[in-house]
Amino acid sequence: AQSVTQPDIHITVSEGASLELRCNYSYGATPYLFWYVQSPGQGLQLLLKYFSGDTLVQGIKGFEAEFKRSQSSFNLRKPSVHWSDAAEYFCAVGGNTGGFKTIFGAGTRLFVKA
Amino acid sequence: DAGVIQSPRHEVTEMGQEVTLRCKPISGHDYLFWYRQTMMRGLELLIYFNNNVPIDDSGMPEDRFSAKMPNASFSTLKIQPSEPRDSAVYFCASSLNGRELFFGEGSRLTVL
Repeated sequence: AQSVTQPDIHITVSEGASLELRCNYSYGATPYLFWYVQSPGQGLQLLLKYFSGDTLVQGIKGFEAEFKRSQSSFNLRKPSVHWSDAAEYFCAVGGNTGGFKTIFGAGTRLFVKA
Repeated sequence: DAGVIQSPRHEVTEMGQEVTLRCKPISGHDYLFWYRQTMMRGLELLIYFNNNVPIDDSGMPEDRFSAKMPNASFSTLKIQPSEPRDSAVYFCASSLNGRELFFGEGSRLTVL
């Protein structure tokens, strides 16, 4: 069965510092992988996606993520965090067989300190 | 372009009452998903439609929940009768390819 693990419930970084949010997935075949961001009181917005090809993918707002099949990971990174990046971040996995269920991790809340 | 539109944004009701949540997907998207978000269980997929047809409703918690999509521009999620444990934020999302999801702003339901 598909599953997604985000080991960090919350992370605090200083503005201008680099960021890495961890994500591990379990899926029997080649997964489709996503990162979404949710600001308080809002819906989720897609940051980036990986379907195939280059394992380093670029997204919106300066985010990138790297797919590592050997580690079953899809970590999200940003070289310099802005105060407006404070939000909750969700990693998600979708299958390419057996339907279109997208399963979300529990989320990591990012706090940014001045 | 208009995004996914959900109504109501907030609903407070009493246990036993019927609740209907509504969703208008992005025009041209032929997949529609209903998710529920709670602190304890996170984001759970309840049901999804393709071309207005329910494809997988295995996430619907019990018979009190039902969802319909009478046409390509409208879907409803109904809870009857509602219970306090149904309190959550319910999200509708639509998709062109079934993969990348575009979410509405959610309907926050409180059942007293």
